[in-house]
Amino acid sequence: EPEVTQTPSHQVTQMGQEVILRCVPISNHLYFYWYRQILGQKVEFLVSFYNNEISEKSEIFDDQFSVERPDGSNFTLKIRSTKLEDSAMYFCASSQGKGNTIYFGEGSWLTVV
Amino acid sequence: AQTVTQSQPEMSVQEAETVTLSCTYDTSESDYYLFWYKQPPSRQMILVIRQEAYKQQNATENRFSVNFQKAAKSFSLKISDSQLGDAAMYFCAFNSGGSNYKLTFGKGTLLTVNP
Repeated sequence: EPEVTQTPSHQVTQMGQEVILRCVPISNHLYFYWYRQILGQKVEFLVSFYNNEISEKSEIFDDQFSVERPDGSNFTLKIRSTKLEDSAMYFCASSQGKGNTIYFGEGSWLTVV
Repeated sequence: AQTVTQSQPEMSVQEAETVTLSCTYDTSESDYYLFWYKQPPSRQMILVIRQEAYKQQNATENRFSVNFQKAAKSFSLKISDSQLGDAAMYFCAFNSGGSNYKLTFGKGTLLTVNP
């Protein structure tokens, strides 16, 4: 069964450093997402991406965040200068479109120290 | 803006028994989709079941079924014959079907299954 894959599974970084989280969405999907889950809290929407551009972003997704689809398969989330409060599980997800199930990757656990 | 409320932070059930997890939502839209996701200790988000709002028939998936009450904006999950592997955090989620199809999640219900 096709799946969303994410790398790395866990990354520890120093405050102020740049981090890139990588994702390979399911190949025939058109919509791509990043969600965040701070430990013990609910899953929060960060950004959606369609047709090679951001279609919606939340207030969490400030200028420190960016997304890119550099080729036909990868979808990346970059955090420019990490803060302690960026420590969270970051989920990549993808979907074929309206009403279709959004499938999640296994997550990338980011720890900022 | 849509909101999803899960009023039960924690629930427990005996193995082989039935448990129902509650979820209510608020929206002004008529076309939307509802989901239950399971998050085991590995923290992966696994789809359990989905429901289209335009369908009156409640979705079922093996031991999992929903009670979808559109007028009451309620979407509860029933787990029958509970198994130890069902222990996890369960999230109710709403997808408006709008242009971006993003999910809005509730805060989750932690389900414990007692042997």
